[in-house]
Amino acid sequence: GQNIDQPTEMTATEGAIVQINCTYQTSGFNGLFWYQQHAGEAPTFLSYNVLDGLEEKGRFSSFLSRSKGYSYLLLKELQMKDSASYLCAVREGYGGATNKLIFGTGTLLAVQP
Amino acid sequence: EAQVTQNPRYLITVTGKKLTVTCSQNMNHEYMSWYRQDPGLGLRQIYYSMNVEVTDKGDVPEGYKVSRKEKRNFPLILESPSPNQTSLYFCASRAPGEVLEQYFGPGTRLTVT
Repeated sequence: GQNIDQPTEMTATEGAIVQINCTYQTSGFNGLFWYQQHAGEAPTFLSYNVLDGLEEKGRFSSFLSRSKGYSYLLLKELQMKDSASYLCAVREGYGGATNKLIFGTGTLLAVQP
Repeated sequence: EAQVTQNPRYLITVTGKKLTVTCSQNMNHEYMSWYRQDPGLGLRQIYYSMNVEVTDKGDVPEGYKVSRKEKRNFPLILESPSPNQTSLYFCASRAPGEVLEQYFGPGTRLTVT
């Protein structure tokens, strides 16, 4: 079966660091995505991992361990505007033109002053 | 400006009254898809299309139809809407490429009474 787990809610303080975890079990693996979604808006792309390791992009970093079925999104120097839902999504399949993205239910992050 | 557009953005309708939600992209993307987003369930894929005249079911296709007569347009059709189709709908598109990033439309909030 396919399953993606992430915490439902998290709270953090402005200026701090927060780590949002995601574990997955899917039929094949062809990449993991993180999206940010503000309330009532469309998801926007944050990061993509297909190989093990850390990908850094400014204040945001994403880590992947394929053997553990595990990823995390690290947000540094938190700002109030980072309050949003963070969606973990796995692309199923084994390469080629596979297109199916399986989304987790999202982690609602609240950044407090 | 590269974008995915959806219309209408908001719609309140009654059970059984056929409706169409349009989706259009100006990026010449081959792949397009429709998702619905419900609280606690995350984003679930309804239908997707790999190219013109090529469509396939996602995870929750029941009660929906799609067509892909032109590359830029991918309308979602509800022949006989029911209250359980009340949801937030997103259209997305992407081009072949290493990152496989999807671009989402702004969303359509549909209420069926």
